[in-house]
Amino acid sequence: NAGVTQTPKFQVLKTGQSMTLQCAQDMNHNSMYWYRQDPGMGLRLIYYSASEGTTDKGEVPNGYNVSRLNKREFSLRLESAAPSQTSVYFCASSEVSTSYEQYFGPGTRLTVT
Amino acid sequence: AQTVTQSQPEMSVQEAETVTLSCTYDTSESNYYLFWYKQPPSRQMILVIRQEAYKQQNATENRFSVNFQKAAKSFSLKISDSQLGDTAMYFCAFMKQGGDYKLSFGAGTTVTVRA
Repeated sequence: NAGVTQTPKFQVLKTGQSMTLQCAQDMNHNSMYWYRQDPGMGLRLIYYSASEGTTDKGEVPNGYNVSRLNKREFSLRLESAAPSQTSVYFCASSEVSTSYEQYFGPGTRLTVT
Repeated sequence: AQTVTQSQPEMSVQEAETVTLSCTYDTSESNYYLFWYKQPPSRQMILVIRQEAYKQQNATENRFSVNFQKAAKSFSLKISDSQLGDTAMYFCAFMKQGGDYKLSFGAGTTVTVRA
């Protein structure tokens, strides 16, 4: 039981490049979330998926797209990376029908130069 | 969006002593949950303690306890008998009951436990 996994753990991109951050959970959770963490600002919600087949914008969605590929997987895509997207990205999942606790992945540190 | 404020960027405590972290939040909701998460240098987010707003009794988990003041919209965390492994950043977070159960985080407090 791995919980929430994220790949890659580290990534360096040049401005304008694209990439996809992968997230998978093996807890059969319905809800999944993407956050970014910046110094002095805590974690901010980018996008979330309340259930398979649905996605919604969070607090800071600009410059990102998401795909809920199936119940297990929720990916975050940067189409044209910008230095302002340098951050640590966390994926989380929860099953709100039984518990509202969110379980977090180990994070991806992304640097855009 | 809910606003969560942690006014102490950094705190330092001697091993075995007690430290209290403050958190205030702004909401018009009546039903919600509050959390404290710990983020050690490994970067992993770990749930420390949670409180349901409808419960008057303060939550306790071993050496961690909260002081929940609903009217004042205050949710402080007390770490007793501090240990070196408690060194981490601590985040206060708010979740509205119902809806999509999204978390709103404070900016965090870095706690350093000195030997």
